[in-house]
Formats: sequence, structure tokens, C-alpha cells
Amino acid sequence: SYDLTQPLSVSVALGQTASITCGGNNIGSKNVHWYQQKPGQAPVLVIYRDSNRPSGIPERFSGSNSGNTATLTISRAQAGDEADYYCQVWDSSSYVFGTGTKVTVL
Amino acid sequence: EVQLLESGGGLVQSGGSLRLSCAASGFTFNNYAMSWVRQAPGKGLEWVSAISGSGGSTYYADSVKGRFTISRDNSKNTLYLQMNSLRAGDTAIYYCAKIHSDYSAFDIWGLGTMVTVSS
Repeated sequence: SYDLTQPLSVSVALGQTASITCGGNNIGSKNVHWYQQKPGQAPVLVIYRDSNRPSGIPERFSGSNSGNTATLTISRAQAGDEADYYCQVWDSSSYVFGTGTKVTVL
Repeated sequence: EVQLLESGGGLVQSGGSLRLSCAASGFTFNNYAMSWVRQAPGKGLEWVSAISGSGGSTYYADSVKGRFTISRDNSKNTLYLQMNSLRAGDTAIYYCAKIHSDYSAFDIWGLGTMVTVSS
């Protein structure tokens, strides 16, 4: 099975930039999607196909994907960005989620 | 407005069965593949199962294969998950999710329904 590894937690100062990594074998050859989940709420798609934002998602959210690592970047972090973030790919007829990263805005 | 509304969750004993439903509205249901994703208390997201728009193709995570069955009734705009031989490890919030037609992402999610399996 295909594994996606994320850091357990990331802290970022208010107004600064946070980077969340998602590691997987040759992940650069796959389409990576990112979800934000706030406490008690359903996940929300924030980045699809590596670097594309759905309508309504702020430009502060961006993504990249190369080699063995995909990255979600949150610029000018706000208190409302505090949440869990998950990466996801499609591999061998299965959908795979990353282990999840808790982002704390200080 | 695009909306997914799950129902059917509850408390069930180990070894028991439960059927979840997901009512869809605001989009042409039979044009889209659909999926179930679960989240155990305090844990991450786990994909459970997916089904094509016609219902002709189904996919399962190894953890539920042979115990869970996904299906859909396009005339009722409803997705189902029949869960048999339930275990304590199946305790989770179960989310229904719409799969985008062009890429393998879940672009719309329901609010979820809680399933608790008691041992």
C-alpha cells in the first residue's frame, strides 16, 4: 500500500508563512489534493491537483509537488487557519490520505 | 446549493449490522462517483469505499473488504453503505463525499454520521 507521511504539528506566527509537507514515494508523479478540517467540522478541499485552488479558497493557500514531497503553503497565516490538514492521492484503485498535520497559529 | 446529508448512524453491538444513507441534492447525482470516508475519534481520515456514477464499479479499503457494501440509487439521489460484522475498530464518524469528475479529489463533503460499535 502507498503511504503518505506528514509532520504531526506545525506552528506559525500570526502573519507569517507555514509549510506543511506530505512525503510519499515518487509523489511528484501523482495528483495531490489537500484538505482543511477545523474541530467538529467536515473536511474542506483547499488545494486540488497539486497547486489549484477551488473557488472561495483564499490565494494565501498554495501548493507544490515534486520528487518525493508535496507541500501546502499558507501565507500570511490567520487565526482562522488553525486546523488539521491532510494530503490525499489516488493510488492503485484506492484513495490514500496522509497522516494529518495540526497547524497552530501563535 | 450542493448538499450531502448522511443518516443511519448509531450504537450497535460488535458483530452487528448498520446501513448508512447519504441524500444528495443540488447536482446531477448520477454524473459523479461518490465515496465514504471515516474518522475514528481523535484520529485522521480513512477512505472506506467508492462507487462510480453508474454504480457499475466499486472500490473498498482492505480494512472493510468483504464486510461493507457500497451502493447507490440514482433515482433517489442516494448513496448507501451496508456495514456487516461490525467491530470496535469501525467506530467513527462516517462522511459521504462527492468525487470531482476530472480529478480524484473529494470536492463536497457531508456533515457526517457517527457509528459506535460496542464490544
